[in-house]
Amino acid sequence: NAGVTQTPKFQVLKTGQSMTLQCAQDMNHNSMYWYRQDPGMGLRLIYYSASEGTTDKGEVPNGYNVSRLNKREFSLRLESAAPSQTSVYFCASTRTSGRAMSWETQYFGPGTRLLVL
Amino acid sequence: GDSVTQMEGPVTLSEEAFLTINCTYTATGYPSLFWYVQYPGEGLQLLLKATKADDKGSNKGFEATYRKETTSFHLEKGSVQVSDSAVYFCALTSYGKLTFGQGTILTVHP
Repeated sequence: NAGVTQTPKFQVLKTGQSMTLQCAQDMNHNSMYWYRQDPGMGLRLIYYSASEGTTDKGEVPNGYNVSRLNKREFSLRLESAAPSQTSVYFCASTRTSGRAMSWETQYFGPGTRLLVL
Repeated sequence: GDSVTQMEGPVTLSEEAFLTINCTYTATGYPSLFWYVQYPGEGLQLLLKATKADDKGSNKGFEATYRKETTSFHLEKGSVQVSDSAVYFCALTSYGKLTFGQGTILTVHP
């Protein structure tokens, strides 16, 4: 049971390049999330997927797209990277969806460190 | 909207000292409250949680009590260890979406 896995661990991009961050969970969780972590700002929600086939914007969605490929996988795409997207990206998942999510623990992956030059 | 405010860091303590990290929140409805910890180079992991007023969450010697009247969820530990050095995040959920505080860096010296 690997929990939540993310690839790659580290990536350097030039401004304007595109890339996809991959996330997978093997806990049969319904809900998945993408966050970015910046110094002094905690984690901010980019997008989330409450169930397979649905996605919704979080606090900071601009410049990103997501795909909930199946129940296990939730990818984050940067179509045209900008230096402001330099950050550490975390994927997370929870077992339930809907209102019951309020008390559920979120399980986090190890993160992807992205540097945009 | 929902928000979480943590005490400014970093916090530096000697081993066996008492730890308090303050956390206050603003939320509509009845949020659940969490403390997550991030060790160097790792993702976040749940430290403890409380789902209703007056609940006390505890784990690994850490405690926090959900105080609705003061909208607070302060983290405490009676005697810290070097291995407690990490970043601590207070967070709340409302309908499944986590809102985090900015994090507090804790360094414990031998």
